[in-house]
Amino acid sequence: AQSVTQLGSHVSVSEGALVLLRCNYSSSVPPYLFWYVQYPNQGLQLLLKYTSAATLVKGINDFEAEFKKSETSFHLTKPSAHMSDAAEYFCAVTSSNFGNEKLTFGTGTRLTIIP
Amino acid sequence: DGGITQSPKYLFRKEGQNVTLSCEQNLNHDAMYWYRQDPGQGLRLIYYSQIVNDFQKGDIAEGYSVSREKKESFPLTVTSAQKNPTAFYLCASSIRAQNTEAFFGQGTRLTVV
Repeated sequence: AQSVTQLGSHVSVSEGALVLLRCNYSSSVPPYLFWYVQYPNQGLQLLLKYTSAATLVKGINDFEAEFKKSETSFHLTKPSAHMSDAAEYFCAVTSSNFGNEKLTFGTGTRLTIIP
Repeated sequence: DGGITQSPKYLFRKEGQNVTLSCEQNLNHDAMYWYRQDPGQGLRLIYYSQIVNDFQKGDIAEGYSVSREKKESFPLTVTSAQKNPTAFYLCASSIRAQNTEAFFGQGTRLTVV
């Protein structure tokens, strides 16, 4: 079985401040991990993915995430928040034995940027 | 441009009626998926298809039906048996391989009136 927990359904940060969105996963086999972003009334767009090649993964728009096996975490960070980062963010996990039919999503974190 | 097209963007249905949501992709992906999104619950898998003429139930398939007659198309029918159909529906596709991301359409918001 696999699962994802996103800590904090709502996160607010000031423009220019560090963004930290938390994701912890559970998987009985080596996981593949993803972060997606969703703007209002739109579909999801991939930010980055963990492929087991490197523990620090860089994505679009200066986002990055670090895979920490010992902590079962895959937290998303961005050094300096922009107003355009306001959106909902989803962490997702799938196991190495399956394709996307076993992709499990977290419940999402809504990021608000304070001017 | 390659992508996934969902239509319509907004859909209203009367109670007791079936309604079909369209999903078309020109990415040449073998696998396609339907998700339901409700506030605070993330995305839940309704049905998926890995190849033409074959599909599998996801976690919340009751009250829904699908078909996959063409590689490019994966329509979802919300039947009258679905007790709470008001939601945001997302279609996605991917290649059939490990560690590949899904590409999503823009979604259809279904409201029962």
